[in-house]
Amino acid sequence: DAKTTQPTSMDCAEGRAANLPCNHSTISGNEYVYWYRQIHSQGPQYIIHGLKNNETNEMASLIITEDRKSSTLILPHATLRDTAVYYCIVRVPSNNAGNMLTFGGGTRLMVKP
Amino acid sequence: DVKVTQSSRYLVKRTGEKVFLECVQDMDHENMFWYRQDPGLGLRLIYFSYDVKMKEKGDIPEGYSVSREKKERFSLILESASTNQTSMYLCASSPGGTVVYGYTFGSGTRLTVV
Repeated sequence: DAKTTQPTSMDCAEGRAANLPCNHSTISGNEYVYWYRQIHSQGPQYIIHGLKNNETNEMASLIITEDRKSSTLILPHATLRDTAVYYCIVRVPSNNAGNMLTFGGGTRLMVKP
Repeated sequence: DVKVTQSSRYLVKRTGEKVFLECVQDMDHENMFWYRQDPGLGLRLIYFSYDVKMKEKGDIPEGYSVSREKKERFSLILESASTNQTSMYLCASSPGGTVVYGYTFGSGTRLTVV
């Protein structure tokens, strides 16, 4: 799986958009970009994933650059409950035995009033 | 609402005890996983299972075993608990096959071994 680089921490004002970047310059053509978050003392929560097109769901938007070497997760109107560690993961969806996730350090997002 | 349920949120056990951590999912997922999470070390895979009675070692299987007798249930066993197994334990599941889906995690069990 390709390696990712994320800032260690970020702050965001409540009600504003939170833009979380992720670099994955060694991503290969069949690797997807996944985002998870982990709120304190809870298990990680899947947010969104994409291959090359931008994606949007009820939680967030995912913008992937044309060369796919980086992506940005956007929380359009951050709330205090969005304070969490956000993980960017790139991997190939594979069959059963290889279907594992590797979590790096992630970005600690602090949403402030 | 689909769920992965871990039987305990907090556990305190004594050194040398045999400890069972239970995980149940209601999504008919083929794959199930046990991770542990420690400050500064991220999530590390202990064991995973891709079918009933099947298991594979992850990155840190030493001191642990697993059991998957039914599709929905995946148990992590600490044969003889030690203080270095004090950690947050996370269970997850995902569909099988070559599919593009996220994992669903349980809320975690914070185990303290004294």
